[in-house]
Amino acid sequence: GAGVSQSPSNKVTEKGKDVELRCDPISGHTALYWYRQSLGQGLEFLIYFQGNSAPDKSGLPSDRFSAERTGGSVSTLTIQRTQQEDSAVYLCASSKTGGWQPQHFGDGTRLSIL
Amino acid sequence: QKEVEQNSGPLSVPEGAIASLNCTYSDRGSQSFFWYRQYSGKSPELIMFIYSNGDKEDGRFTAQLNKASQYVSLLIRDSQPSDSATYLCAVNNVDSNYQLIWGAGTKLIIKP
Repeated sequence: GAGVSQSPSNKVTEKGKDVELRCDPISGHTALYWYRQSLGQGLEFLIYFQGNSAPDKSGLPSDRFSAERTGGSVSTLTIQRTQQEDSAVYLCASSKTGGWQPQHFGDGTRLSIL
Repeated sequence: QKEVEQNSGPLSVPEGAIASLNCTYSDRGSQSFFWYRQYSGKSPELIMFIYSNGDKEDGRFTAQLNKASQYVSLLIRDSQPSDSATYLCAVNNVDSNYQLIWGAGTKLIIKP
């Protein structure tokens, strides 16, 4: 696709439910990033993929968070047993090769935990 | 602790004037510098990136990098109300070959 695509754009769920967020990066981009942005706050790095590998999972807030990437393309971020503090906008970005290349963001998924 | 500092603002600039946004960074070894624009409720959008000392111009935008003083600036000429947004500065983390360090952003308001 022309840009980074994320789905769903909005997700409202009850506390304790599991959620899956999807990211489809720009075609040909090998590097993929997940960030979280709480209201009025800066970007919080969650995880980085180079191809299908995630060399850095250090930003994941807890073991309730996991992510995978298949075929070097689509990535899924899963949050199990959601808590109210998980409410935020989850942003995905991709870049051509990683390194210090410019990152291009999707429109994000706004997650609200009731 | 590696840091990227930005004045949170808001920075108010009259329409048609030059808006100057500044960013300082703590790691002298940083090599890559990025400016993003984020409209309220939207995701960050890449405006400019700069790797070398000096100025880089793209339309109404100019990025200025001074590695000796460890700051990077974004100038917006002929400011328009549509330029009103939060501007994020990002700098590469020299301890990582992929991670950026993000500033908290400067809110810019262009007054008609």
